[in-house]
Amino acid sequence: QKEVEQNSGPLSVPEGAIASLNCTYSDRVSQSFFWYRQYSGKSPELIMSIYSNGDKEDGRFTAQLNKASQYVSLLIRDSQPSDSATYLCAVRRRDDKIIFGKGTRLHILP
Amino acid sequence: DTGVSQDPRHKITKRGQNVTFRCDPISEHNRLYWYRQTLGQGPEFLTYFQNEAQLEKSRLLSDRFSAERPKGSFSTLEIQRTEQGDSAMYLCASSYDRASTEAFFGQGTRLTVV
Repeated sequence: QKEVEQNSGPLSVPEGAIASLNCTYSDRVSQSFFWYRQYSGKSPELIMSIYSNGDKEDGRFTAQLNKASQYVSLLIRDSQPSDSATYLCAVRRRDDKIIFGKGTRLHILP
Repeated sequence: DTGVSQDPRHKITKRGQNVTFRCDPISEHNRLYWYRQTLGQGPEFLTYFQNEAQLEKSRLLSDRFSAERPKGSFSTLEIQRTEQGDSAMYLCASSYDRASTEAFFGQGTRLTVV
């Protein structure tokens, strides 16, 4: 089992709709969870962090964490063409090592 | 600019040559991470530092790879006797060493081995 798993996609979502991205992790004692956005040829850019169970909202983005299910998700409301990118889920373990999933390619359809 | 800085941005080298990359983390960030990323994959962990101490090196890395952070500030990643399979984006990130803190990436160094 990979430490951080994501569906590689591509996930196609119409402009203006909600995009839902999911991630599961295997290390039960992981402490911190992150979503990065990566445009082609660029480095990852942090867009959300979440540390406790529940929802965290920032503008059009909502991160959701369920530690019991070892599940993290990212919702993007009112999707825009500029949201088309690869979204990387990352997990910070107790030893501070940060492990990434393979990423989900998101394509927003105009 | 107080973000993570990596140098060079691009490097083309011939197979068998040695290359060295530099990373300057965000000031006062004591954790520094190196990753390698190939097309269609997520960043693959290579190694990380707490100040000048190297905490772990990935078992996937051959002995041709070495990293240092001599004064607990900037870090270097050296690849000896490069191979075509080393072609990738090499990413550096830094953070504080607290659990509830984020890691920020530099722009990366794209290595092409010909």
